[in-house]
Amino acid sequence: DTGVSQDPRHKITKRGQNVTFRCDPISEHNRLYWYRQTLGQGPEFLTYFQNEAQLEKSRLLSDRFSAERPKGSFSTLEIQRTEQGDSAMYLCASSLAIGRIQADTQYFGPGTRLTVL
Amino acid sequence: DQQVKQNSPSLSVQEGRISILNCDYTNSMFDYFLWYKKYPAEGPTFLISISSIKDKNEDGRFTVFLNKSAKHLSLHIVPSQPGDSAVYFCAASGGVNFGNEKLTFGTGTRLTIIP
Repeated sequence: DTGVSQDPRHKITKRGQNVTFRCDPISEHNRLYWYRQTLGQGPEFLTYFQNEAQLEKSRLLSDRFSAERPKGSFSTLEIQRTEQGDSAMYLCASSLAIGRIQADTQYFGPGTRLTVL
Repeated sequence: DQQVKQNSPSLSVQEGRISILNCDYTNSMFDYFLWYKKYPAEGPTFLISISSIKDKNEDGRFTVFLNKSAKHLSLHIVPSQPGDSAVYFCAASGGVNFGNEKLTFGTGTRLTIIP
């Protein structure tokens, strides 16, 4: 399977605990995005990387959230001191950006469903 | 501030007929538009896209139309098949002209194809 993969698919945690999610993008893709989706809403942008550089962060990404892509391949999203409001589907997407010639299409993984009790 | 709007939360269409899903946007900086299909417990699957320099793009049973003056786009599926039953999301970005690569999504339309 050469698509975007995410691990774990489901995570149940207690309020106050830390959680970490992993995303493996399509191998030749240089951009990696994180989105969050809650019930009845479309995905909302959190942050994105081009190679290992984090280029943009949404104001949704509080200081409890941190994302890394240390070698420009896989990425991790960590949430510290989880709150019940963090319960959502966390989606990762990747794309191949070839500069300003054309916009790149983002391909999504299956998501990680987080439930904070 | 909902910059991408899908005003129909649900749509039911008879198998074999045309399905038309609509999307409106407010941000004139958007220049690239995409449609995604989502099944429960899965991530969104890319269907078709259109750049702002075009007004139509076709791929098999799927056609996307863009009306820039009205800030409106639509997805036509013909003929509709039972496997098309899913939630469809419209998304937009300002990737090419404005360096705004993130996608802004609508709230989705649940399409049900009736056999």
